[in-house]
Amino acid sequence: EAQVTQNPRYLITVTGKKLTVTCSQNMNHEYMSWYRQDPGLGLRQIYYSMNVEVTDKGDVPEGYKVSRKEKRNFPLILESPSPNQTSLYFCASSFRTGRETQYFGPGTRLLVL
Amino acid sequence: DQQVKQNSPSLSVQEGRISILNCDYTNSMFDYFLWYKKYPAEGPTFLISISSIKDKNEDGRFTVFLNKSAKHLSLHIVPSQPGDSAVYFCAVLTDSWGKLQFGAGTQVVVTP
Repeated sequence: EAQVTQNPRYLITVTGKKLTVTCSQNMNHEYMSWYRQDPGLGLRQIYYSMNVEVTDKGDVPEGYKVSRKEKRNFPLILESPSPNQTSLYFCASSFRTGRETQYFGPGTRLLVL
Repeated sequence: DQQVKQNSPSLSVQEGRISILNCDYTNSMFDYFLWYKKYPAEGPTFLISISSIKDKNEDGRFTVFLNKSAKHLSLHIVPSQPGDSAVYFCAVLTDSWGKLQFGAGTQVVVTP
């Protein structure tokens, strides 16, 4: 089944404790992206990647890192999480560019205490 | 800087009637627009898109209209069904590489 998977789905952590949210797709998509969803703000793009080893900042990249060492994986790294990073995070992928249909993962709900 | 705005956070409509969702954008250079639908506890799913060379795109019960002079697009759902109850996000492609900006979303509730 074609899908985007994210792990973990739920995470409670404390300020400053490094964490990684994994994202994997099995559709051989070149384009992958991370978003966060906050009430009243909709979905905001954090980072995106056009292909392996090619990444660029979205609208809210501060406090996040990404890497794209393999085509299928695009982990989101929070080196020193803070409470303002409490949010619902979505990973998405599409065949080539954001112009094409993006397929979203189920989301990761993060609470930073 | 929010370049895409959905000013109605919620919309309630009776089953069988038309749902009209609105979206405004600020930059006249934007040329590709999308609508996504989101159910609780799931990721958004693509619904319909439109390029700026068109002013209308239709897919079954869903039609998107684009008014470039007003920098406005709308999504029409006809007829509305209870399964359409979801949050709808308008999105705009802001560069050629795939940077998407989403609106805040509109919660649609379709009542029987």
